[in-house]
Amino acid sequence: SYVLTQPPSVSVAPGQTARITCGGNNIGSKSVHWYQQKPGQAPVLVVYDDSDRPSGIPERFSGSNSGNTATLTISRVEAGDEADYYCQVWDSSSDHGVFGGGTKLTVL
Amino acid sequence: QVQLVQSGAEVKKPGASVKVSCKASGYTFTGYYMHWVRQAPGQGLEWMGRINPNSGGTNYAQKFQGRVTMTRDTSISTAYMELSRLRSDDTAVYYCATSWAAVAGLDYWGQGTLVTVSS
Repeated sequence: SYVLTQPPSVSVAPGQTARITCGGNNIGSKSVHWYQQKPGQAPVLVVYDDSDRPSGIPERFSGSNSGNTATLTISRVEAGDEADYYCQVWDSSSDHGVFGGGTKLTVL
Repeated sequence: QVQLVQSGAEVKKPGASVKVSCKASGYTFTGYYMHWVRQAPGQGLEWMGRINPNSGGTNYAQKFQGRVTMTRDTSISTAYMELSRLRSDDTAVYYCATSWAAVAGLDYWGQGTLVTVSS
């Protein structure tokens, strides 16, 4: 089955840029979706199809995907961005959803 | 606005079954896929499967094949997820979530239902 690998944690100072990676075999050929989850809350879709943002998501959130790595970039990080972030793709061979293990973003 | 409202918390004994509901409003229920995702305490997200509310067709993750059943009642815009032969490691928050296409991002989520499996 398809495996997505994320770093367990990323730390960044307020106002700086956070980059969260999601590794997978030839992930560049798939559409990657990113979710933000704050403690005690349901996940929220923040980027879909590699780089598109749902309405209401700040432009500070952006995504890219190429080769074996997809990246969620959060510019001008704010304290409110502190959360767990998950990448997700669809495994075309099984038609099943796959989530990465999640990355905890800490704002210093 | 789109809302997914799930049923309340459940406590079950090992070996029992649980059925969680997800009532949709604010959109055409049959126009969007419904997925179920779970999250064990302190753990990540795990996709369980999806149902096409229009056709009733389902696709289950291999891990849950034979134990999970996803159904829907279009007359009341409600989807259901039943998990049988519960074990302690099924203790988790179970979420329903929609997508406009089978392999699109999950754009709306329910509030989650905590299922606790304990003897």
